[in-house]
Amino acid sequence: TQLLEQSPQFLSIQEGENLTVYCNSSSVFSSLQWYRQEPGEGPVLLVTVVTGGEVKKLKRLTFQFGDARKDSSLHITAAQPGDTGLYLCATNTGNQFYFGTGTSLTVIP
Amino acid sequence: NAGVTQTPKFQVLKTGQSMTLQCAQDMNHEYMSWYRQDPGMGLRLIHYSVGAGITDQGEVPNGYNVSRSTTEDFPLRLLSAAPSQTSVYFCASSYLGLSTYGYTFGSGTRLTVV
Repeated sequence: TQLLEQSPQFLSIQEGENLTVYCNSSSVFSSLQWYRQEPGEGPVLLVTVVTGGEVKKLKRLTFQFGDARKDSSLHITAAQPGDTGLYLCATNTGNQFYFGTGTSLTVIP
Repeated sequence: NAGVTQTPKFQVLKTGQSMTLQCAQDMNHEYMSWYRQDPGMGLRLIHYSVGAGITDQGEVPNGYNVSRSTTEDFPLRLLSAAPSQTSVYFCASSYLGLSTYGYTFGSGTRLTVV
C-alpha cells in the first residue's frame, strides 16, 4: 500500500502552459516535502510545508498543504523546459521517510 | 563541494556475486539512508541510520546489509546479488529533524545484475 499517491503519473505540456500536480494520502502528516529529480541525478529538495492551509511560492512554483494536512499540490505557472523532471512528494513516519511514486513532467519547447 | 558522494556510478554484477556500494557525506549529518528506485515503484527505503553505530531496516531490507562505523560513511552491501536487485540506488543524508531539513541525495549508482 502506497502511503502517498501522486497524480497524474505522467504529464506532457507545451512551454508556457500552467499545470498542477497532486499528492494525496489517507493519513495526516506533520509536514510534507516536495523534491524534483532530473534524469541521472538524485532528487533535490524544493520546499517543506508544515501548517495546514500553508502556501509557499518558489518563483513560478506554488506549493499548498491541505487544511487537513492529508494532501498537497504543486502548481507551476508558465512552464519552462527547465521544469522538466520527476516531482516527488515525501513525508516521514517516525524515522522512516517515504516518497510518492512521482509525477514525470515533460515541458515541450 | 560539500555533499553526498556515491561510488561507483555504474556496476554490472553476475547473479550470486557480492559487492559494496559506497556512500560518504561531509556535512556532519546524523541521519543517512539508502533507497532503491525502480520504474513505477518510486523510491523505497532499504536501510537507515540515525547515527554512528545505529542502523535499522526500511521497507525493503532483504538481501542488503549496512553498517555505520563513522558519521561520514554508510556503505550498502549486497550479499548475493539477484536480478531483482537491478535498480538505481540512492544514498541520502540529513540532520536529525528530517522533516524540517530534508534530504541531500547522492547522484546514484545504477546496478545491473545479470
